[in-house]
Amino acid sequence: AQSVTQPDIHITVSEGASLELRCNYSYGATPYLFWYVQSPGQGLQLLLKYFSGDTLVQGIKGFEAEFKRSQSSFNLRKPSVHWSDAAEYFCAVGAGNQFYFGTGTSLTVIP
Amino acid sequence: DGGITQSPKYLFRKEGQNVTLSCEQNLNHDAMYWYRQDPGQGLRLIYYSQIVNDFQKGDIAEGYSVSREKKESFPLTVTSAQKNPTAFYLCASSSLRGSTDTQYFGPGTRLTVL
Repeated sequence: AQSVTQPDIHITVSEGASLELRCNYSYGATPYLFWYVQSPGQGLQLLLKYFSGDTLVQGIKGFEAEFKRSQSSFNLRKPSVHWSDAAEYFCAVGAGNQFYFGTGTSLTVIP
Repeated sequence: DGGITQSPKYLFRKEGQNVTLSCEQNLNHDAMYWYRQDPGQGLRLIYYSQIVNDFQKGDIAEGYSVSREKKESFPLTVTSAQKNPTAFYLCASSSLRGSTDTQYFGPGTRLTVL
């Protein structure tokens, strides 16, 4: 069965520091992979996606993610975090006609 | 602007009442989805529809019902049979049917049972 694991429930970083959010998936074939961000009380906004090709994908707001097939991972990174990046981040796998979401990582940014 | 609208943003319900959450999209997407979000549990799929007049149960369909009479609309009814309906409900849509494409989300409806 497909599954998505985000091992970090909550992460705190200082403004200007680098960020890496982890995502591991379980899926038999090459999956479609997504990262979404959610501000409190809002819907989910797509940050980036990987379907095929270059394993390093660029997204909005300065985020990037790298697909590593050998590790079944799709970690999200940002070189310098801004206070406005504080939010909940969700990794998702697209398989067939459904999405499977991780439980999310809550990011706190301290000045 | 194209997008997905959900209404109302906040909804209060007395126990034993049915309530209907609205979801409309003008993206010309074939597929639409309803998710429930609870703290610490991520998103769980309630129902999805890939074409008008057809829909499928997701992982937690019990106590919910949907209809898809128009391509643009996919309302969700939370029935009195849903034992714990207080949650944040998200509607999404995607352009491809039968394969996987990006899902786009509405702003959500927060349902509270009094």
